[in-house]
Amino acid sequence: GQNIDQPTEMTATEGAIVQINCTYQTSGFNGLFWYQQHAGEAPTFLSYNVLDGLEEKGRFSSFLSRSKGYSYLLLKELQMKDSASYLCAVMDTGGFKTIFGAGTRLFVKA
Amino acid sequence: DARVTQTPRHKVTEMGQEVTMRCQPILGHNTVFWYRQTMMQGLELLAYFRNRAPLDDSGMPKDRFSAEMPDATLATLKIQPSEPRDSAVYFCASAGISDRNTIYFGEGSWLTVV
Repeated sequence: GQNIDQPTEMTATEGAIVQINCTYQTSGFNGLFWYQQHAGEAPTFLSYNVLDGLEEKGRFSSFLSRSKGYSYLLLKELQMKDSASYLCAVMDTGGFKTIFGAGTRLFVKA
Repeated sequence: DARVTQTPRHKVTEMGQEVTMRCQPILGHNTVFWYRQTMMQGLELLAYFRNRAPLDDSGMPKDRFSAEMPDATLATLKIQPSEPRDSAVYFCASAGISDRNTIYFGEGSWLTVV
């Protein structure tokens, strides 16, 4: 089976750094994605990791450890507009089936 | 600007009626997903296709839901008969090798069954 765990909610302050963790247990692994979803909108792609290590893209970075079944999304210099849900998703091997976690709702306060 | 297009954007229907949702994937993408999102269940995978062939529809209630891909530019999700518990946002998404299999979502079809 497949299982993806993320914290339900997090709160952080504008200008700060926040780390959102994701742990997964899947039968196969062909990459891990992070998506951002604002209320009432579709998820939008943030990052993709298939090899261990850190991928940096502007204020956002994503880390993967395949041996530990663990990833995190790091958001720096938080802005109010970063208040959203952050979804961790794992793509299986073979048919590219992609399963999403329940998401972490991030609240950025002034 | 390549994007996934879904219709209808919003639909209110009565219980028992048939609902058909349509999706045009991004040109060149060969994998198409149907997801359903509710507050309680999050984003659930209902079915997905690769090169128009259905690969997995285990997340879909078979008695009332059906998903097809009649050609490379059209995917459909049908609910017949609809029930109030089907009220949700239905997202179509597509992915392709040229985009490292990154999934791009349509804007969703917001379904309310009364």
